[in-house]
Amino acid sequence: GAGVSQTPSNKVTEKGKYVELRCDPISGHTALYWYRQSLGQGPEFLIYFQGTGAADDSGLPNDRFFAVRPEGSVSTLKIQRTERGDSAVYLCASSVAGANVLTFGAGSRLTVL
Amino acid sequence: DAKTTQPNSMESNEEEPVHLPCNHSTISGTDYIHWYRQLPSQGPEYVIHGLTSNVNNRMASLAIAEDRKSSTLILHRATLRDAAVYYCIRRSGSARQLTFGSGTQLTVLP
Repeated sequence: GAGVSQTPSNKVTEKGKYVELRCDPISGHTALYWYRQSLGQGPEFLIYFQGTGAADDSGLPNDRFFAVRPEGSVSTLKIQRTERGDSAVYLCASSVAGANVLTFGAGSRLTVL
Repeated sequence: DAKTTQPNSMESNEEEPVHLPCNHSTISGTDYIHWYRQLPSQGPEYVIHGLTSNVNNRMASLAIAEDRKSSTLILHRATLRDAAVYYCIRRSGSARQLTFGSGTQLTVLP
């Protein structure tokens, strides 16, 4: 597609449940990033992939959060045992390797009740 | 940690120029200055970036101080569609990710 696609756009779940958020990057973009944005704050870095491997996962808050990118294109962010504090917009971005410009998707809004 | 300082909010009148300031007093020689903006309910959007020289593109201009401790994003003629949060980001040469601050909320008045 023309841009970064994220699904679902909205997800409501109950505390303790498992959630998966999907990101389809721009075709040919080898770098992929996940960010989390809480209300009124700037986006917070979670993890960065170069190809299939996680080059930097220093932003993942704890071991309930995990992300994969098995074929070097689509990525899935997985959150186990969700907590109310996980409620946020999860943003995905992609770029050409080594490029200065990131292209962001519209985000997936997660609400944990 | 790549820190920048921006005003929380600014107002501008439609069709007038807007100068959005950013301080990055601890910037190192290989750090780039990036600007992104975020419209309501959308992801951040790239605006412009530079290293030392002033930069222009179709969206905006970036003026970088000679000592590189500050920069200014210039929107030459603000429109209502420019109302957004503008983020100034210092990106080190080796880092791939962007570290966002809280940004400046720009309000454009008709």
